[in-house]
Amino acid sequence: DIQMTQSPSTLSASVGDRVTITCRASQSINSWLAWYQQKPGKAPKLLIYKASTLESGVPSRFSGSGSGTEFTLTISSLQSDDFATYYCQQYNSYSYTFGQGTKLEIK
Amino acid sequence: EVQLVESGGGLAQPGGSLRLSCAASGFNFTNYWMHWVRQVPGKGLAWVSRVNSDGSSTTNADSVKGRFTISRDNAKNTLYLQMNSLRAEDTAMYYCARNREGNCTGGSCLNWFDPWGRGTLVTVAS
Repeated sequence: DIQMTQSPSTLSASVGDRVTITCRASQSINSWLAWYQQKPGKAPKLLIYKASTLESGVPSRFSGSGSGTEFTLTISSLQSDDFATYYCQQYNSYSYTFGQGTKLEIK
Repeated sequence: EVQLVESGGGLAQPGGSLRLSCAASGFNFTNYWMHWVRQVPGKGLAWVSRVNSDGSSTTNADSVKGRFTISRDNAKNTLYLQMNSLRAEDTAMYYCARNREGNCTGGSCLNWFDPWGRGTLVTVAS
């Protein structure tokens, strides 16, 4: 199975900061990567698919990049609503693996 | 409005069984692959199982192979997960999720998930 590794596991930041989360795949997944945001007690929410395509309705401060085995999610200017846990997911194979998550905390 | 609503969770004993349901509305259920994803409280997401549009093909994670069976009733717009031989480590919130793109063929069926239901909690304990 393809393994997905996110870093960091926890990120402390302030409103207005620019933050980047990295997701690495154990083998090439082309651009078949999605990013989700999850808040406590809620279902995951799709942010980005095909590594860099912003889901409709998601603020433009979110962006994704990468291909092959290394991917990033960037939030250009953190807002209070962005403090949550973020997951990457590969859909290059039928194992559909997720990263372990990055918890974005208020500094 | 596209909606997925899970039900059927609860307390089960180790070795016991539960059947989860996911009622779909607001879209042509017949056209979409469907999935179950679980999340142990306080932990990350783990894909569990998927079924193709007509129910003829399924794939399961190694952790549930031989114990869980995914199925669907397209006439009732409902997805199911039959969980047998339950273990304590199966305790989790179970979400159903839809392939984002419908009417897929071949490789295009490998897809991201959207939308997701709110989940149903399964607790396995004696």
